[in-house]
Amino acid sequence: GQNIDQPTEMTATEGAIVQINCTYQTSGFNGLFWYQQHAGEAPTFLSYNVLDGLEEKGRFSSFLSRSKGYSYLLLKELQMKDSASYLCAVFSGSARQLTFGSGTQLTVLP
Amino acid sequence: DVKVTQSSRYLVKRTGEKVFLECVQDMDHENMFWYRQDPGLGLRLIYFSYDVKMKEKGDIPEGYSVSREKKERFSLILESASTNQTSMYLCASSEAPSNQPQHFGDGTRLSIL
Repeated sequence: GQNIDQPTEMTATEGAIVQINCTYQTSGFNGLFWYQQHAGEAPTFLSYNVLDGLEEKGRFSSFLSRSKGYSYLLLKELQMKDSASYLCAVFSGSARQLTFGSGTQLTVLP
Repeated sequence: DVKVTQSSRYLVKRTGEKVFLECVQDMDHENMFWYRQDPGLGLRLIYFSYDVKMKEKGDIPEGYSVSREKKERFSLILESASTNQTSMYLCASSEAPSNQPQHFGDGTRLSIL
């Protein structure tokens, strides 16, 4: 089975940096996704890590350590529009499906 | 851009009714998925399909069935709706292989009275 943990809520200030952590315990791990979901909208894909290390994409970066069952999403130069829920999801190749964490609600304050 | 369209944004039905939720994608994706999203529980996979006429159970298939007669369309059926099926339902699609990013529709907020 899959167990994915991420903080329920986080608050940060506009212009700052925030790190959202995700830990997982899974069988058959084959990669980790991060999605962003604004209130009332569809989740949108942010990043995919399959190997250890840091993947950078503009203001957003995602890190994976498979040995520690740990990932984080790093958001730099926070903007008000970054206020959203951030979903961590683990892909199991054996089950051929994604399992999502409960999401972290990020609030960016002026 | 990929477009995943769900037939209704809001839907209200009564206990015991048979409910159909429709999803259409326009990018010729092989894979399609149905999730429900509830506060504190995140997205949970109900059913998925990797090809026409194929379906596989996800983590919470009880009380649901699906149909995929055409590649672009994936339907979720609540055989006899119950109040505990009140939820936000999200459809998604992705290219093969199965570890490709999923593209989501805007969701259907279903209330069962």
